[in-house]
Amino acid sequence: SQQGEEDPQALSIQEGENATMNCSYKTSINNLQWYRQNSGRGLVHLILIRSNEREKHSGRLRVTLDTSKKSSSLLITASRAADTASYFCATDASGSRLTFGEGTQLTVNP
Amino acid sequence: NAGVMQNPRHLVRRRGQEARLRCSPMKGHSHVYWYRQLPEEGLKFMVYLQKENIIDESGMPKERFSAEFPKEGPSILRIQQVVRGDSAAYFCASSPLPTGWETQYFGPGTRLLVL
Repeated sequence: SQQGEEDPQALSIQEGENATMNCSYKTSINNLQWYRQNSGRGLVHLILIRSNEREKHSGRLRVTLDTSKKSSSLLITASRAADTASYFCATDASGSRLTFGEGTQLTVNP
Repeated sequence: NAGVMQNPRHLVRRRGQEARLRCSPMKGHSHVYWYRQLPEEGLKFMVYLQKENIIDESGMPKERFSAEFPKEGPSILRIQQVVRGDSAAYFCASSPLPTGWETQYFGPGTRLLVL
């Protein structure tokens, strides 16, 4: 698997449900970031979690980081149709570049 | 404080032509990164620049592609003699400090279509 690999590849849920996406990576990191991309649009930064942090919250978002397992999860609570987008994790293991996974396509059905 | 600006948003070129993509970083940001996204894929790093310097171009194809970030003006990604495989979305990001210390903020992207 490649650095910053998300699963599942696609997730379809009903409005109001929680959505959980996972990201695994291979090498040590300074921080891990989650981004959202609406279809045909740019990336919106959601949250950054540093390697010495285990959990971070921002509104309806909760991110966890387990450096021993080299994995992170993004939880979106009480999902809304507007949360429909692709979600990417990105790591900075390779110097100053960000390495992105292939993304999880989340569909929230009204 | 305006975000990262990219222009044009859409660019159509015929095979063999040149494409010039521009990126103006956020105010106060001196670190610029270019990424390419093919359809249904994640972003792939191309190049990292600071003012007047290329810091890391390890993701840039060896031929036809070049990037610059002059002392004045936007960063430019230049693709010479475009081919159909160059069709993609090209995103620019900027940060006030090198990544590892700070978030990268992305522009809306330039969608290049090569006919």
